[in-house]
Amino acid sequence: NAGVTQTPKFRVLKTGQSMTLLCAQDMNHEYMYWYRQDPGMGLRLIHYSVGEGTTAKGEVPDGYNVSRLKKQNFLLGLESAAPSQTSVYFCASSESVAGAYEQYFGPGTRLTVT
Amino acid sequence: GQNIDQPTEMTATEGAIVQINCTYQTSGFNGLFWYQQHAGEAPTFLSYNVLDGLEEKGRFSSFLSRSKGYSYLLLKELQMKDSASYLCAVRAITGGGNKLTFGTGTQLKVEL
Repeated sequence: NAGVTQTPKFRVLKTGQSMTLLCAQDMNHEYMYWYRQDPGMGLRLIHYSVGEGTTAKGEVPDGYNVSRLKKQNFLLGLESAAPSQTSVYFCASSESVAGAYEQYFGPGTRLTVT
Repeated sequence: GQNIDQPTEMTATEGAIVQINCTYQTSGFNGLFWYQQHAGEAPTFLSYNVLDGLEEKGRFSSFLSRSKGYSYLLLKELQMKDSASYLCAVRAITGGGNKLTFGTGTQLKVEL
């Protein structure tokens, strides 16, 4: 049981390049999330999904797109990377009911945009 | 919207007790979570409170007062490995999706 995995672990992009971050979970969770974490800013929600085929905007969605074609995968795309998108990106998943259902986090992707 | 405040940094001695406070303002409160995050790693779940009172889990305890918008995480018998960032996160009823809003985290340093 791998939990939540993310690919790649590190990436350096030049301004204007595009890339896709892949998140996969093997816990059969309905809900999945993408966060970014910056010094002094805490974790901020970019986009989330409440099930296969659904996506919704979080707190900081501009410059990002997402897709959830399969229940176990949640992709985050940067169409034209900017230096302001230099960050650590975390994917998470959770059960679909309220209660003590915490979010499980992946190991993170460290992205640098030059 | 939601607003969450935590101290930025704290220092404590190995073997001691430390209390990390979190205050929040939110509409439609539906639970408060504490996570631990070691440098360069992912956040990991520590505790959950939705009703007032204390939840104890080994060396860690978490307290909630909904009327005061206040929670604290209590760490007993501190160990060097407890040096980490501690994140307070609030879930609101509105919006769905089990979404959490995180505070900026409290960096705890445990010294000998």
